[in-house]
Amino acid sequence: GAGVSQSPSNKVTEKGKDVELRCDPISGHTALYWYRQSLGQGLEFLIYFQGNSAPDKSGLPSDRFSAERTGGSVSTLTIQRTQQEDSAVYLCASSLEGGRVTGELFFGEGSRLTVL
Amino acid sequence: SQQGEEDPQALSIQEGENATMNCSYKTSINNLQWYRQNSGRGLVHLILIRSNEREKHSGRLRVTLDTSKKSSSLLITASRAADTASYFCATGRRSNDYKLSFGAGTTVTVRA
Repeated sequence: GAGVSQSPSNKVTEKGKDVELRCDPISGHTALYWYRQSLGQGLEFLIYFQGNSAPDKSGLPSDRFSAERTGGSVSTLTIQRTQQEDSAVYLCASSLEGGRVTGELFFGEGSRLTVL
Repeated sequence: SQQGEEDPQALSIQEGENATMNCSYKTSINNLQWYRQNSGRGLVHLILIRSNEREKHSGRLRVTLDTSKKSSSLLITASRAADTASYFCATGRRSNDYKLSFGAGTTVTVRA
């Protein structure tokens, strides 16, 4: 596609429910990133994929969070048993290359999650 | 803790004036990047400066990097209303560069 696509753009859910957020990166980009942005805050790194592998999952806030990437393309971030503190904008970004030296990241518009 | 910290947190200027914001970081880096975020949107890459570069220009943007002071500045000249946005610096540590760390950003408001 022309850019990084994220869905849904907005999600309102009840506490305790599971949610899935999807990211479709730019075609050919091997590196994919998930960040979380709380209101008025900077970006919190969650996870990085190089191809289908996630070398670093240390940014995931708890074991309720998981992410996968299939076919070196689409990625899904899953939050189980959502809590109110999970409310944030979840941003996905892709890059032509990742690894030792990170270049420009291309961001999607984000998925705004509200947990009631 | 976050690697990059922007200063000031907020900036309000008149259209046509210059806007300067700073970024400080803590560890050795490979490069430093600046991004812009309009309200409710994703981040857009503005400029990347490598650790062996001291200054870089892109249109009305000028970025400096002082690795001895572990700091960078972003200057927007002749600001326009469309420059109203939040600006973030992002740094990648030499040890694990893929993990770009973003600061909390500087919110710039350009008054017409």
